[in-house]
Amino acid sequence: KNEVEQSPQNLTAQEGEFITINCSYSVGISALHWLQQHPGGGIVSLFMLSSGKKKHGRLIATINIQEKHSSLHITASHPRDSAVYICAAGYGGATNKLIFGTGTLLAVQP
Amino acid sequence: ETGVTQSPTHLIKTRGQQVTLRCSSQSGHNTVSWYQQALGQGPQFIFQYYREEENGRGNFPPRFSGLQFPNYSSELNVNALELDDSALYLCASSTPGLAGGPRPADTQYFGPGTRLTVL
Repeated sequence: KNEVEQSPQNLTAQEGEFITINCSYSVGISALHWLQQHPGGGIVSLFMLSSGKKKHGRLIATINIQEKHSSLHITASHPRDSAVYICAAGYGGATNKLIFGTGTLLAVQP
Repeated sequence: ETGVTQSPTHLIKTRGQQVTLRCSSQSGHNTVSWYQQALGQGPQFIFQYYREEENGRGNFPPRFSGLQFPNYSSELNVNALELDDSALYLCASSTPGLAGGPRPADTQYFGPGTRLTVL
């Protein structure tokens, strides 16, 4: 069982729709990262959360520490949002290694 | 653009061969992590280097080894390649926080990856 799980694995939306991707983790973490991966491999960091909520443009990320759950929301989705969205957990200790979920493949259709 | 580059972009090797993958980080990024991403999976942590010393290792055999250099570049070496080593290899660099040393909240800057195919 993966320590970090995401749902759904695949998501197809129409342009303009509100999108939610969920992430749950099994043990306490120090930080939760949301990342975006485009075809071809490049990964870009979107958010780092340790509590509460963060917003950047049309993207909103929330985390509930007690429930060990985080969500990534995309408002007014656009075809250029199509990508794989990955959540990853940082568990502390002497490294900043990340434990990744398997990703959510999002396709936004015009 | 994250300022992190990797070479080569693609590589084809045969089983049993050895391979060296390279990563060049931004100036000042003294922490680099390497990840292996199999098709359809999330990246898996291989190891991390901090100030040129190994600073943590994932569940990978000793034939996976690394080096980090003072000029913020690093290498991943894989000996005795196996078919299952076919994957996208990603490096990620970061700068230490105010307290010094890698922290889970550090922003990580990923390179574009090297796609390795083992035949």
